[in-house]
Amino acid sequence: ETGVTQSPTHLIKTRGQQVTLRCSSQSGHNTVSWYQQALGQGPQFIFQYYREEENGRGNFPPRFSGLQFPNYSSELNVNALELDDSALYLCASRPSTGAGYGYTFGSGTRLTVV
Amino acid sequence: QKEVEQNSGPLSVPEGAIASLNCTYSDRGSQSFFWYRQYSGKSPELIMFIYSNGDKEDGRFTAQLNKASQYVSLLIRDSQPSDSATYLCAVTGGFKTIFGAGTRLFVKA
Repeated sequence: ETGVTQSPTHLIKTRGQQVTLRCSSQSGHNTVSWYQQALGQGPQFIFQYYREEENGRGNFPPRFSGLQFPNYSSELNVNALELDDSALYLCASRPSTGAGYGYTFGSGTRLTVV
Repeated sequence: QKEVEQNSGPLSVPEGAIASLNCTYSDRGSQSFFWYRQYSGKSPELIMFIYSNGDKEDGRFTAQLNKASQYVSLLIRDSQPSDSATYLCAVTGGFKTIFGAGTRLFVKA
């Protein structure tokens, strides 16, 4: 059973640029969420995808967008990068959108905006 | 008011003691409650899940839920130095799971 894999592991971008982060969900998981984790903070919910549709969103601006593909892999896109976007971005998948399932997290992508 | 609140700690306990971690949440419609452990430089890993009032035990871990008080706790018995980590409380309601800021636990040998 494969876990959740994310790429790249580290990324440096310039303010104003755009970035795409990728995630491959654990086998059998049809629900994926993305989180932003600043140093010393808990993960902040960005959005959740279920069967290729966004069905939940946190307090993030529209420049944060996502996609989920038929094989349940997903992408997080961030446009017009700001310095405050520097953080660890975590992808997490679970078997269902039901409330009773916990997440399996990937190792994250460390994004630095300069 | 934050949706999920935890004491940031650090909480320091001697080896073999019971560590008690607490969490409160604001949304009364919340359905499921999770505890994750996050080692420094690593991603969170799920350790406990509870959705009914009362206690749930798994090995050295006990999760406690009181929906009337909107309170969740995690007890770690016989604490070991390897339990030193940040413990994240997470609450699911609707189509989102919200995490607290985490409590740092240090277990002294």
